[in-house]
Amino acid sequence: DTAVSQTPKYLVTQMGNDKSIKCEQNLGHDTMYWYKQDSKKFLKIMFSYNNKELIINETVPNRFSPKSPDKAHLNLHINSLELGDSAVYFCASSQRGENEQFFGPGTRLTVL
Amino acid sequence: GQNIDQPTEMTATEGAIVQINCTYQTSGFNGLFWYQQHAGEAPTFLSYNVLDGLEEKGRFSSFLSRSKGYSYLLLKELQMKDSASYLCAVSSPSDQGGKLIFGQGTELSVKP
Repeated sequence: DTAVSQTPKYLVTQMGNDKSIKCEQNLGHDTMYWYKQDSKKFLKIMFSYNNKELIINETVPNRFSPKSPDKAHLNLHINSLELGDSAVYFCASSQRGENEQFFGPGTRLTVL
Repeated sequence: GQNIDQPTEMTATEGAIVQINCTYQTSGFNGLFWYQQHAGEAPTFLSYNVLDGLEEKGRFSSFLSRSKGYSYLLLKELQMKDSASYLCAVSSPSDQGGKLIFGQGTELSVKP
């Protein structure tokens, strides 16, 4: 029943490791997003895909690589994790032409 | 540049009315959203304004003045469960990716 789901919910890892976060939506939307929410709770757009095509890349370091195998999935792979990558990462989806975005439950990433 | 300002925190009493203000300066505008976020949870949609005026939805109302770059969220008959962070977000046009640009959020504490 979950509209936008993310796995894992919590991720604790060491600096320098590579990790992935997965996102899936069953709303039939054609656009998906990744947002980062830092410790000050400021929510900032990272990437957006429309029909598997990248349309927004907000000057995110190239250690972050989104991948969209189909329009229902948008995964985020992070190489060489740094302490500053610790945050909550939210996936969201919407239908182009409609404005509301639906958010996933978030993935809390802690880099030690 | 993109700038969205809202107060960092507010306190109100159960049963009272509170108004959370948001001012914005963005390069594109395709509407303004208010989201509610409880601690440790995903943002959930409250309201959307694209035309000037007041939108009412139960205990919550949202107002927009595009000429002034100003919006507010009005919460009536406050309940303890309304304690949360309230996020103001401006939507960019679809040709700019339709991304949401968020303010820092207003942490509302409702006291008995």
